[in-house]
Amino acid sequence: EAGVAQSPRYKIIEKRQSVAFWCNPISGHATLYWYQQILGQGPKLLIQFQNNGVVDDSQLPKDRFSAERLKGVDSTLKIQPAKLEDSAVYLCASSTRGFSGNTIYFGEGSWLTVV
Amino acid sequence: GENVEQHPSTLSVQEGDSAVIKCTYSDSASNYFPWYKQELGKRPQLIIDIRSNVGEKKDQRIAVTLNKTAKHFSLHITETQPEDSAVYFCAARGQAGTALIFGKGTTLSVSS
Repeated sequence: EAGVAQSPRYKIIEKRQSVAFWCNPISGHATLYWYQQILGQGPKLLIQFQNNGVVDDSQLPKDRFSAERLKGVDSTLKIQPAKLEDSAVYLCASSTRGFSGNTIYFGEGSWLTVV
Repeated sequence: GENVEQHPSTLSVQEGDSAVIKCTYSDSASNYFPWYKQELGKRPQLIIDIRSNVGEKKDQRIAVTLNKTAKHFSLHITETQPEDSAVYFCAARGQAGTALIFGKGTTLSVSS
């Protein structure tokens, strides 16, 4: 089966500019996650969707980050304006349901460098 | 919320030796504990997982143990090979419907 698709794979922007990342989860997966992985650290949850509703966005810096999942399928993560500390890999992941025990599958990630 | 601590941050072993990575978690309600392997520039990939109703699970050279009382779980890799070199992340999932919380990772280097 096709995996989690993300684009773009790489992006370099200047601070204060904006950027958007797109994710297409595995077909039929109701739960979608965006994680931020800073170099040398573990993935940190930014937001979790169940279908098109937000389950957890407690760690999303809402003054600059936004995310949406229209129609419960694809999702977009936006950063505006970007800061140097936003340089990271943005990993999209999906699972069949948000319940305990369901495997989470990751995309290849979108690598962001803010200069 | 859940907090996951992982040790050591780096681990170097000789080919054929065993490697052990340990994690502790804070939320006693957590009941799912996967381990992911991430090679340089690649996505994290699930290598093994364990649920709270099981104390140990093994898959060829990889095993995971869980001690619910002490709230810690460990990854054991036997007969290590150079291709085992990667960053390994433990994770825990708390209440039903919540996302995985990851440890900071262990960089495993296996030298031949």
